[in-house]
Amino acid sequence: AQSVTQPDIHITVSEGASLELRCNYSYGATPYLFWYVQSPGQGLQLLLKYFSGDTLVQGIKGFEAEFKRSQSSFNLRKPSVHWSDAAEYFCAVAPPPPRAAGNKLTFGGGTRVLVKP
Amino acid sequence: GAVVSQHPSRVICKSGTSVKIECRSLDFQATTMFWYRQFPKQSLMLMATSNEGSKATYEQGVEKDKFLINHASLTLSTLTVTSAHPEDSSFYICSARDRTRNEQFFGPGTRLTVL
Repeated sequence: AQSVTQPDIHITVSEGASLELRCNYSYGATPYLFWYVQSPGQGLQLLLKYFSGDTLVQGIKGFEAEFKRSQSSFNLRKPSVHWSDAAEYFCAVAPPPPRAAGNKLTFGGGTRVLVKP
Repeated sequence: GAVVSQHPSRVICKSGTSVKIECRSLDFQATTMFWYRQFPKQSLMLMATSNEGSKATYEQGVEKDKFLINHASLTLSTLTVTSAHPEDSSFYICSARDRTRNEQFFGPGTRLTVL
């Protein structure tokens, strides 16, 4: 069965500093990969996704992620964090076609990001 | 575009009562909707996959008679927590899959508190 690991439960960064959130997955083949952000009282918002092709993916809000097949990782990065980036971040995987399985998502445990002024 | 709403956003009920939560895709058709449960400070756990016009598929360990799911139209799925107990208190989140964009869009969630 597939699994997703986010090793860091909490990360605290200073505003303006860079941020990197780690995500490792266990899957038989390369799954579809996603990063979501959850702010208090709001639904999950997709930051970016990787299906195939260029392993460096650009997303919204200045985020990017790099897929590394050899490490089964899909780490999220942002060069300069803003106070509004304080939130919970989830990495997720879904089976690609042909299995697809309706693209059910399996989520990692989440990383809570705190931003210091 | 791609807005998913949930109603109610918050509900408090007595033990033994049933609660219905609605999930609507407002500006797209969703042949598939998903229901998740999120405990405080934890991740989302998929409960079931709801396909329009057919029975829902439940994940292992989720009681289908406890969590009734109906997906009667391409824009609406409902989750009914029957005979709710305090251990059912949680944050319930739905998502709707837009097939044209091969992407899921999430609702804002419903916080259920069972007294």
